[in-house]
Amino acid sequence: DGGITQSPKYLFRKEGQNVTLSCEQNLNHDAMYWYRQDPGQGLRLIYYSQIVNDFQKGDIAEGYSVSREKKESFPLTVTSAQKNPTAFYLCASSMAGGPAYIQYFGAGTRLSVL
Amino acid sequence: GESVGLHLPTLSVQEGDNSIINCAYSNSASDYFIWYKQESGKGPQFIIDIRSNMDKRQGQRVTVLLNKTVKHLSLQIAATQPGDSAVYFCAENTDSWGKLQFGAGTQVVVTP
Repeated sequence: DGGITQSPKYLFRKEGQNVTLSCEQNLNHDAMYWYRQDPGQGLRLIYYSQIVNDFQKGDIAEGYSVSREKKESFPLTVTSAQKNPTAFYLCASSMAGGPAYIQYFGAGTRLSVL
Repeated sequence: GESVGLHLPTLSVQEGDNSIINCAYSNSASDYFIWYKQESGKGPQFIIDIRSNMDKRQGQRVTVLLNKTVKHLSLQIAATQPGDSAVYFCAENTDSWGKLQFGAGTQVVVTP
C-alpha cells in the first residue's frame, strides 16, 4: 500500500535526551513536512523539504533538526534544547512543494516527557 | 499576523442533518484552500480542496464554498453520519512553495 509511515506511534523522552522520529513515504513525493500539534490546537510547521538534501525552517524550528538524505525519508530529531516537546508530531508529503499540491499525512507520533 | 480561524469550536449535529463548518481567513493573497478531517489519535485526512478562482466545489457528500469578498470558507456535509464525528481543519496556502496555514479546528459531534 502506498502511504506515509511514521514510527514509533508512542515515544518517551528523558531529560536531556535527543529522540528521533521516523517518517517514510512510498508515494514518490518530492516534498515532505513536519508539523507539531498541541491539544485542541491546529498544526504548526516545524520543517519542510522540497527536495533531497535541502530543507527549510518552518514557524517553530527551534529545538528540532531534520535531514533529507533520501527522497523517501525525512526524520525529525527533537533535541534537548526543545524544552516543551510533549505533543503529537505529524509528517506529511506532497507531490511537489508548490501551491495546490495536496499534503497527505501519516498517523503521527505522540511524544511525551518522562 | 494573518491567520486562518474558525467561528465555532464545537458543532453538535443530529444524525441525518446537514453540517456547515465555517472558516474565516485574512490573507487576501491565499489562492488555495484545503479541508482536512482528523479523527482522534490519527493524522489529518484530506477531504476537499478549492482554488481561489472557484466559488464552489463538490465532492461525495461534501461541498466547499469560497467567498473571497468576505474571506470566508465553508464546508458542508450532507446527511451527517456518526463516522463524520471528528475535528475539521481548514488550511490556506500562504506562499509560493505551498506552505499551509492551519486553523484551530472545529469539533463536530454527531448525535443519534
